[in-house]
Amino acid sequence: AQTVTQSQPEMSVQEAETVTLSCTYDTSESNYYLFWYKQPPSRQMILVIRQEAYKQQNATENRFSVNFQKAAKSFSLKISDSQLGDTAMYFCASGEHYGGSQGNLIFGKGTKLSVKP
Amino acid sequence: DTGVSQDPRHKITKRGQNVTFRCDPISEHNRLYWYRQTLGQGPEFLTYFQNEAQLEKSRLLSDRFSAERPKGSFSTLEIQRTEQGDSAMYLCASSDGLLSNQPQHFGDGTRLSIL
Repeated sequence: AQTVTQSQPEMSVQEAETVTLSCTYDTSESNYYLFWYKQPPSRQMILVIRQEAYKQQNATENRFSVNFQKAAKSFSLKISDSQLGDTAMYFCASGEHYGGSQGNLIFGKGTKLSVKP
Repeated sequence: DTGVSQDPRHKITKRGQNVTFRCDPISEHNRLYWYRQTLGQGPEFLTYFQNEAQLEKSRLLSDRFSAERPKGSFSTLEIQRTEQGDSAMYLCASSDGLLSNQPQHFGDGTRLSIL
């Protein structure tokens, strides 16, 4: 069975600084995807970034980048130039793929990030 | 793209009552997922559909829970004889299941409170 572990329940960062959120996962599948989702207070969960397990190159999306260590089953999220709007719960998730189609996601418990002015 | 829509946003009911939630996915998405999220936790998978076929159900989905997607468009999640432990946020997500690299898009959720 898949598991996703986020060991940092809460983190804070000063505006404009860089912060890294940790995530480890476990899966027996060879074909899977990893995701970071952001859930602002009382708002919709939105995708921040995704990584295909078969790709060695780390994904980047503007100020967001990941450090994907496949052998260590680690998938950390780095937020550069933190902004007040980055304040949210961040969930790491993994999704296995069967026959080229995506199955359900397994989420970690989340990290509450607070960006301070 | 109008996004995933869920109705109602909030539902308060007494223990023992039945409740039904609705989810309208993004129109071209053939995959629809239901998750449950309790306070301070990440979403937990309940079930998902490929068009009208229910392909997988979690063991979290007890006999009191039933989900349908009769025409492969909107979906309903019904909880019968609600219990205190059913209090949670129920999230719906959709994706284009034919494209393996497409992410799931989430709705705002339905928050259920059992009195």
